Amino acid sequence: EDQVTQSPEALRLQEGESSSLNCSYTVSGLRGLFWYRQDPGKGPEFLFTLYSAGEEKEKERLKATLTKKESFLHITAPKPEDSATYLCAVQAKGGSYIPTFGRGTSLIVHP
Amino acid sequence: DGGITQSPKYLFRKEGQNVTLSCEQNLNHDAMYWYRQDPGQGLRLIYYSQIVNDFQKGDIAEGYSVSREKKESFPLTVTSAQKNPTAFYLCASSITSGVETQYFGPGTRLLVL
Repeated sequence: EDQVTQSPEALRLQEGESSSLNCSYTVSGLRGLFWYRQDPGKGPEFLFTLYSAGEEKEKERLKATLTKKESFLHITAPKPEDSATYLCAVQAKGGSYIPTFGRGTSLIVHP
Repeated sequence: DGGITQSPKYLFRKEGQNVTLSCEQNLNHDAMYWYRQDPGQGLRLIYYSQIVNDFQKGDIAEGYSVSREKKESFPLTVTSAQKNPTAFYLCASSITSGVETQYFGPGTRLLVL
C-alpha cells in the first residue's frame, strides 16, 4: 500500500527564517510526486511535479527536491504570505493512477 | 478563464436529506474526482471518473453517489446513508490518467443542521 508521511505537522517560522518541509513516501514505483499549497477554506493550488530522484524545481521562494524515499520543500526567507498548508501526494506506477495524499504541513510565518 | 467551479460554497443538510454538490470544469479534462477533507487528515477519494458515463468508487464511497453525463460536469450527491457528512468537499480534474496534475476547485463546506 502506498504511504505518504509529511513532517512536521505544523511549523512556525519568523519572517526570513528559512526551513524545509519533508514528505516521505513508500510506493512500489514512483510515477510522480506533487506539491500543493492550500489556504484556509480554499482548494489546493498546484506547485510542482517531480518525476525522478535528483530532480529539483523552483518557484519564487520555494524549491522542491526529490530522492528515492523523500521530497523536501525548501522555503527560503519566507514571508507571512507563505503561510498555508502544504500538501504532498505521490502517484505510483502500475495499477490505479490515483494519487495518495499526505496529511499536510501547516506553516505559519510571523512578521 | 479556464478552471473548476464548485457550488455552493456552504451547504446545510438536515437529517435524512439528500444534498447535491455541483462541480463544473471548462478545462476540457477527461478525468474528474471527488475528495473529502477532514481536519488533520489527508484528502480521501470518494469517486472518480475517467470518461463520460463511467465512474469508479474510491476509498470512502459509501453514502455517496455521482453521475457523469457530460464531460464538464461531475455532481456529487451526499445521501442520508452518510451518517457523518460534515466535511470540506473538493472536486478536481486532470487531462487524463497517467502522470497528470490534478487541478482543484474552491471546495464546498457541508454542515449538518
